Amino acid sequence: NAGVTQTPKFQVLKTGQSMTLQCAQDMNHEYMSWYRQDPGMGLRLIHYSVGAGITDQGEVPNGYNVSRSTTEDFPLRLLSAAPSQTSVYFCASRPDRNTGELFFGEGSRLTVL
Amino acid sequence: AQTVTQSQPEMSVQEAETVTLSCTYDTSESDYYLFWYKQPPSRQMILVIRQEAYKQQNATENRFSVNFQKAAKSFSLKISDSQLGDAAMYFCAYRREYGNKLVFGAGTILRVKS
Repeated sequence: NAGVTQTPKFQVLKTGQSMTLQCAQDMNHEYMSWYRQDPGMGLRLIHYSVGAGITDQGEVPNGYNVSRSTTEDFPLRLLSAAPSQTSVYFCASRPDRNTGELFFGEGSRLTVL
Repeated sequence: AQTVTQSQPEMSVQEAETVTLSCTYDTSESDYYLFWYKQPPSRQMILVIRQEAYKQQNATENRFSVNFQKAAKSFSLKISDSQLGDAAMYFCAYRREYGNKLVFGAGTILRVKS
């Protein structure tokens, strides 16, 4: 009963370093997405995917890349980390583009020094 | 652009009492979904309740119920018989029908006093 699994749970980076946040879901959901959570701002959509091979930008995509080579996996890449990317990141999925609520992973806390 | 506003940064309630969290939203769409999510200290996002805009009846889930006022664009959450485990951050969220983005409010911290 894994649901949506994110790794790592915590990460500290130096400015300019790159890293990948992993996200995997075992529910055969078509739709997957990445959000970031910042104090006083709720959650904001970074990128999303409506199926394997299809990705699109959300509200705050700058500095992040995604790919969707399989239905199960949706990694988020930070190419050159900046202090402004210090945040808590959530991966979320749902069965398809319209139906059902979002199922969230446990979140990943990223600190960029 | 759609926006969601939660005007109460923090609320407190005595155990076993009732509390209402406020949420207003702005949209020009007629078909959409509204959600309340709970985020306890564990950071996990947990769906509390959802409401489809086309339904006039207010959604209820055990001790949780909503007051959905479509014309006023208001979507408040009522928690009855509050329990210590209800202490968390609560987020109101909006998604238009067939939309790809869930728009969140800034959240309300709920403290439950014993």
